[in-house]
Amino acid sequence: SQQGEEDPQALSIQEGENATMNCSYKTSINNLQWYRQNSGRGLVHLILIRSNEREKHSGRLRVTLDTSKKSSSLLITASRAADTASYFCATDSGFGNEKLTFGTGTRLTIIP
Amino acid sequence: DVKVTQSSRYLVKRTGEKVFLECVQDMDHENMFWYRQDPGLGLRLIYFSYDVKMKEKGDIPEGYSVSREKKERFSLILESASTNQTSMYLCASKPRVTGNTIYFGEGSWLTVV
Repeated sequence: SQQGEEDPQALSIQEGENATMNCSYKTSINNLQWYRQNSGRGLVHLILIRSNEREKHSGRLRVTLDTSKKSSSLLITASRAADTASYFCATDSGFGNEKLTFGTGTRLTIIP
Repeated sequence: DVKVTQSSRYLVKRTGEKVFLECVQDMDHENMFWYRQDPGLGLRLIYFSYDVKMKEKGDIPEGYSVSREKKERFSLILESASTNQTSMYLCASKPRVTGNTIYFGEGSWLTVV
């Protein structure tokens, strides 16, 4: 079963604009991570936020986490054409073997 | 630099064939995973392993088996390939320590005809 559901499924914006993607999950988590996937390639880790954190920044990325609403958002500021990719959230419950459960992803297209 | 290597990038197999997908990691990670990725369904966990010779079923293990004889290698086996197993398969690894990044291979595109 899918723990995370990203919203929207697809997003197209002009280069330079900000892109916001959301992730909702169902059960309690220990950590939430965001990954990026270029077309036809493997996934690459972007950022991790722990359940006791509310916001985290990394370069042009900003992630928020609201555990009361079981949701997270990923904001990419000043988007570039190279940001075109699919973005996935992944959660783990923190028990033992760290199985990560991924959402269905948001396909982001940056229009030059 | 960390590396997860999947031996085959593109494969075409016939229905009923036995298929092996191999994955090797060079980071001495305890945990290894096999995911399947299909449009609209995201990544679904097939099997994972948290130690040599140890395995656990993921969300969609039917039709698959795995082997982990050495720490660095995790193999996915399709005992009798079927057309509904046509998909992108992703191998990944991570350290056992909680909250660590998971590292992915580049994926194996399998077509069963």
